[in-house]
Amino acid sequence: GENVEQHPSTLSVQEGDSAVIKCTYSDSASNYFPWYKQELGKRPQLIIDIRSNVGEKKDQRIAVTLNKTAKHFSLHITETQPEDSAVYFCAAYNNNDMRFGAGTRLTVKP
Amino acid sequence: EAEVAQSPRYKITEKSQAVAFWCDPISGHATLYWYRQILGQGPELLVQFQDESVVDDSQLPKDRFSAERLKGVDSTLKIQPAELGDSAMYLCASSLGLNVDEQFFGPGTRLTVL
Repeated sequence: GENVEQHPSTLSVQEGDSAVIKCTYSDSASNYFPWYKQELGKRPQLIIDIRSNVGEKKDQRIAVTLNKTAKHFSLHITETQPEDSAVYFCAAYNNNDMRFGAGTRLTVKP
Repeated sequence: EAEVAQSPRYKITEKSQAVAFWCDPISGHATLYWYRQILGQGPELLVQFQDESVVDDSQLPKDRFSAERLKGVDSTLKIQPAELGDSAMYLCASSLGLNVDEQFFGPGTRLTVL
């Protein structure tokens, strides 16, 4: 089955700096890669996703890149703000099976 | 905006007791998922329904866990008997259909087993 690894587990940046979170997956058949943001005590919320036929997607300050050959994808947050502080999860989806990474706790210091 | 509903939000129980969680997916969503999220980890799929049928329950500890979605709408997850290691957040999610990937999560039920 699919195995998703996520790094780093914790990330601390200064407000205004960029943050990058990386994930690798094992199943080359995975074709959908969402990123979820989970604030303390709240539900995971989808912030951006990418499908296997696209290499990059951007939505305002958030971008995701996908390298199918290397089987890794990354989340990029630019101009970070304190409200970006949360746990971020990547996931890989194939054939009705969604596997999540272990999460990255991002702290944005004012 | 439609959301997945779950209840209760918090549950404290003693080991060996029975607990039940309820989930109401977004209206019209045929696929429903139950996940367990241990503190500091990502969600892990327990069971997946397509309408009233189980699609995948390979990760469900069937000796103590059961799930049903009798009318293909809302769903119940039960644990009997609860064990200390069951303490976790139980998340429900739904998606439009079996091959539609975007999943919407509910607020979760935080279970503490004493």
